[in-house]
Amino acid sequence: RKEVEQDPGPFNVPEGATVAFNCTYSNSASQSFFWYRQDCRKEPKLLMSVYSSGNEDGRFTAQLNRASQYISLLIRDSKLSDSATYLCVVVMNTGFQKLVFGTGTRLLVSP
Amino acid sequence: GAVVSQHPSWVICKSGTSVKIECRSLDFQATTMFWYRQFPKQSLMLMATSNEGSKATYEQGVEKDKFLINHASLTLSTLTVTSAHPEDSSFYICSAGTGANYGYTFGSGTRLTVV
Repeated sequence: RKEVEQDPGPFNVPEGATVAFNCTYSNSASQSFFWYRQDCRKEPKLLMSVYSSGNEDGRFTAQLNRASQYISLLIRDSKLSDSATYLCVVVMNTGFQKLVFGTGTRLLVSP
Repeated sequence: GAVVSQHPSWVICKSGTSVKIECRSLDFQATTMFWYRQFPKQSLMLMATSNEGSKATYEQGVEKDKFLINHASLTLSTLTVTSAHPEDSSFYICSAGTGANYGYTFGSGTRLTVV
């Protein structure tokens, strides 16, 4: 089983739609969780951290369920500029901190 | 915010030569730097974790003698791809931690093409 799993997509949605991505992780000792965004041929950029209480940043909402080892990202009112690959990132402490990336979920927002 | 400067952005080299990639943390000290490789349409795969002043920890399947990592200071880590071959052509990215709750900052990546 992969350490971090995501549905690769692509998710094709129209502008204005609400879309959700899920991510599961296998190591229950995982410490921190993030969502990153990666545009084609560019480096990943931090979108938001994910907290147990859930957190929101504008149109983006992240949720963490430690019991189910599950992370989600919700995007409301999708914009064309939201088209990208969204990477779920889990930080594990294996003696030192180690970042593990999911394969990413590709989102395509169309007019 | 925290910035990681990575150079070169792209490099084309002949098979059998070595290429060095540098990552510098510009406004913070990075005790740990992560090195990733990304092939087209695939996710980032962790190659190794570089700790300042000590030997790097390599992921399973990554040849430590081929991918030499040096982290001599708190602001500089280098990855040298030795005796590069076409199958080493990839996008190499470094990342440094700025504090667990603040995410990790990535360099802009190096696109290596070995011909």
